[in-house]
Order: sequence, then C-alpha cells, then structure tokens
Amino acid sequence: GQNIDQPTEMTATEGAIVQINCTYQTSGFNGLFWYQQHAGEAPTFLSYNVLDGLEEKGRFSSFLSRSKGYSYLLLKELQMKDSASYLCAVRDTGGFKTIFGAGTRLFVKA
Amino acid sequence: DTAVSQTPKYLVTQMGNDKSIKCEQNLGHDTMYWYKQDSKKFLKIMFSYNNKELIINETVPNRFSPKSPDKAHLNLHINSLELGDSAVYFCASSQDRSYGYTFGSGTRLTVV
Repeated sequence: GQNIDQPTEMTATEGAIVQINCTYQTSGFNGLFWYQQHAGEAPTFLSYNVLDGLEEKGRFSSFLSRSKGYSYLLLKELQMKDSASYLCAVRDTGGFKTIFGAGTRLFVKA
Repeated sequence: DTAVSQTPKYLVTQMGNDKSIKCEQNLGHDTMYWYKQDSKKFLKIMFSYNNKELIINETVPNRFSPKSPDKAHLNLHINSLELGDSAVYFCASSQDRSYGYTFGSGTRLTVV
C-alpha cells in the first residue's frame, strides 16, 4: 500500500529552527519532494531528494534515508511568512505519479 | 506570463450539471496532471498525461473525462456533478521525473 505520514500541526517561534518529519511506505520510489502551500494558494516546489543525504537550499534543507523510509525538512531562521502547510510527496518508480501526504501546518509565532 | 493557468478560478454550480475546467502551460513541459484537494487538504492524483497520452487514470469515476488536445493543454470535463465533487482542482505540469511540479492556481468547485 501507499502511506505517507507527517505531523498534522507544528508551532515554532520566529528566528528559530524547525524540523518537519515524514515517513513513507510506498510500492515504488523515484524521489521525494517537499512543497509549501499557503492557505488558499497552490503548492510550490521546495526540494527534491532521490539519494540519501542532505540537500541544502538557503534557509531550507531536506534529508532522505531510503532504507528507513524517512525524510525531514529543516527550516532555519524562521520568518512569519513561513507559516504554511508543508507537503511531503513521493514519486513512484514509473515517474508519472506522485503521492502526497496530508501536510503539516506550521504556525510561526512572534 | 503565467506558467500554468487554470480557468475558472471559482465555479459554483448545481447538482447534475456538466462543467469544464481548462488548463494551459507555457513551460514546454511534457507531462500534465490533474489533482483533487478535498476539505482535509489531501492532494490526490486523478490523471496524468505525457505528450497527450493518458498515463495515469487513478480510479476516478467516468463522469470525469480529461482531454489533451496538445501537450500544452489538459482540460477536465465533469458530467452529472455531485455534492462530493466539491473540492479544489489543481492542474500541474513537470518536465521530467527529477523536477517538481508547477501547479496552477486551482479551481474551487462548489456543487450545491
């Protein structure tokens, strides 16, 4: 079966660091993606991991362990505008289908 | 210069009606998708087209019929609308499997 789990909600303070975890069990794997979605808007692509390890992009980093079926998104120097839902998604082996998790709503407080 | 554009942005209609949502991308991507996001914010794939060919049809009722006249367009026609069809429908495109999707702004469909 296909299953992607991530926490429903998290709260963090402006300027802090937050880590959003994602675990997955899918029938195939061809990459893991993180997307950001502000309320009422479309998801926007943040990061892509296909090999184990850490990918860094400015304030955002994403980590993948394929053997553990685990990823995390790390957000540093949090800003109020980072308040959004963060969606973990796994692309299947064929490459044409991406399964999304339910998303983690992040609240950044002053 | 919008990358993926969907119309309309909002659609309110009565049960039993037939409606269409249009999607166009000017990114030159080969693959286009339709996703449905329900009230619990789950994004579920409905269809995937690659170079106008249907690749994924994810157990969607046959009241939903996608049409891709060319690789830049993927439209969604829905017959006999039901209350449960109310959701936000997102069109997306991607160039290849190592890139993320570019999503359209979504169409909020409300069936009354």
